[in-house]
Amino acid sequence: SAVISQKPSRDICQRGTSLTIQCQVDSQVTMMFWYRQQPGQSLTLIATANQGSEATYESGFVIDKFPISRPNLTFSTLTVSNMSPEDSSIYLCSAGLGGGELFFGEGSRLTVL
Amino acid sequence: GQQVMQIPQYQHVQEGEDFTTYCNSSTTLSNIQWYKQRPGGHPVFLIQLVKSGEVKKQKRLTFQFGEAKKNSSLHITATQTTDVGTYFCAAFWRGSQGNLIFGKGTKLSVKP
Repeated sequence: SAVISQKPSRDICQRGTSLTIQCQVDSQVTMMFWYRQQPGQSLTLIATANQGSEATYESGFVIDKFPISRPNLTFSTLTVSNMSPEDSSIYLCSAGLGGGELFFGEGSRLTVL
Repeated sequence: GQQVMQIPQYQHVQEGEDFTTYCNSSTTLSNIQWYKQRPGGHPVFLIQLVKSGEVKKQKRLTFQFGEAKKNSSLHITATQTTDVGTYFCAAFWRGSQGNLIFGKGTKLSVKP
């Protein structure tokens, strides 16, 4: 299994600013992903965080808006840039060990005013 | 668009009643996973089904994968208040670089 720590756990931000969310895994993992979850909704995959290279984004998500870093096998960051109220959501970091199942962090609840 | 359709969206049951959620896909799935998310919590992996017609049990939970590998179900026998939460099915989808895509989930509430 993997234990995933995310921070901040929540934040309130002003429109037009950017916020970086950090994700730390307690062991080396092959795959790391970032999901977004609106309250009461399902999880939407934003991108795969690739170690040492550019992230792979899903349709509807772009690097300029959601830049992602993954400098090593245990750490990743997601930045939400130039935020608007529509970006208010829970952002979840997840990791896979290769067996298929994903482990999730507690999430970062973002409110944009 | 959504690759795995999940129904119902909500289910309210009396404690002790059974509960079932269904997941359907228009395409054959390589495997399917189920997650549970408690209110205010994060998704937690329950199980993965791989084989056609596979049935797995975890105490009061029974998971099934259809013969055609296009549908799956999660059945809870004699629900308890601890079963409250949202149950998601998830499948790997080629259109997403083979990454895990989640259904919309079924939110279960249990009345004591």
